[in-house]
Amino acid sequence: DIQMTQSPASLSASLGETVTIECLASEDIYSNLAWYQQKPGKSPQLLIYYANSLNDGVPSRFSGSGSGTQYSLKINSLQSEDVSIYFCQQNYDSPPTFGGGTKLELK
Amino acid sequence: QIQLVQSGPELKKPGESVKISCKASGYTFTDYAMHWVKQAPGKGLKWMGWINTYTGKPTYADDFKGRFVFSLEASASTANLQISNLKNEDTATYFCARVADYFDYWGQGVMVTVSS
Repeated sequence: DIQMTQSPASLSASLGETVTIECLASEDIYSNLAWYQQKPGKSPQLLIYYANSLNDGVPSRFSGSGSGTQYSLKINSLQSEDVSIYFCQQNYDSPPTFGGGTKLELK
Repeated sequence: QIQLVQSGPELKKPGESVKISCKASGYTFTDYAMHWVKQAPGKGLKWMGWINTYTGKPTYADDFKGRFVFSLEASASTANLQISNLKNEDTATYFCARVADYFDYWGQGVMVTVSS
């Protein structure tokens, strides 16, 4: 199975700040990567797919980048509603696997 | 609008069985696979497998072979997950999720608590 390693595990940032979350795959996943946002007590929601494509309705302050084994999610101008856990997920190979998550809190 | 509505929370004893439903609406049920994902309390997401909603064929992840059964009531646009011989480690929230290439729509999740 392809292992997905996210960093950091937790992150504290101020309103308006820019934050970046990293995801490292154990092998090349050829940009077959998604990012999900999970708010407390809710189901995950798809933010980014194919590494850098923004899902419908997702604010433009979210962006994804990367290739090969290294990917990142960037949130510009952090808003209070961005407090969530963020997961990366690869679907290059079965089984689809998720990163361990990054908990984003407000400072 | 597209919705996946799951059944309610369950409290079960070890050794019992549970059946969770996931009713889809707003799209053609048989056009998309339905996947199941487990999230233990305070933990990450673990893929359990999927069911082909056109043929009804299930595929299980290695850790979910044996006690877990995916099924369909296609006429009702519903996917089901049954877990038998429940164990304490089955305590988790179980999500259904529609998948084209990615998990684009999720159910609200069902909390299953296994406790004696």
